[in-house]
Amino acid sequence: SQQGEEDPQALSIQEGENATMNCSYKTSINNLQWYRQNSGRGLVHLILIRSNEREKHSGRLRVTLDTSKKSSSLLITASRAADTASYFCTVGGTGNQFYFGTGTSLTVIP
Amino acid sequence: GAVVSQHPSWVICKSGTSVKIECRSLDFQATTMFWYRQFPKQSLMLMATSNEGSKATYEQGVEKDKFLINHASLTLSTLTVTSAHPEDSSFYICSARRGPYNSPLHFGNGTRLTVT
Repeated sequence: SQQGEEDPQALSIQEGENATMNCSYKTSINNLQWYRQNSGRGLVHLILIRSNEREKHSGRLRVTLDTSKKSSSLLITASRAADTASYFCTVGGTGNQFYFGTGTSLTVIP
Repeated sequence: GAVVSQHPSWVICKSGTSVKIECRSLDFQATTMFWYRQFPKQSLMLMATSNEGSKATYEQGVEKDKFLINHASLTLSTLTVTSAHPEDSSFYICSARRGPYNSPLHFGNGTRLTVT
């Protein structure tokens, strides 16, 4: 199915450190998207990277995409306590559905 | 821009009653809306995909007669949980997409449903 799987399941870092999480998928894709979810809230879109792109930046976020390995990574630089959240990826393909994995739970310790 | 409003944010109902959840795209027309449910510390599970004016496409294992989805306009979709039971207690989240397949999803803030 068109689903991304995030890794690791949980990540705990000190404020100021960088956080890296990964996403793997199995199908061919048109794009890959990263989202953040704060506890008890909906998801917030972070970055969409198209299949013909290899890297994309948005503020402190950097996303890479390796279609040969069917994987993506999300790097959050100089993390802040407010970055504490769960992070999900999903892939857009030929279908109209978007599936999510179990996410990476990031805890940034002040 | 691209705000999705979901209402109510929480609801408590008695077993056997029905509950309606609304999802509105406030500043754009949503070509497609999606309904998810999420259990504590778990992933979002896609329940159904709906396009305005047509019947929703339900995921395998989701009872269409129990979870009624209506996408009456390009800005409004509703999910009705009929004859709710305690096992239906969950966090329901809607999302909307305003463009083609390379467009991101915009999510509501979710509805916490508790069935007593």
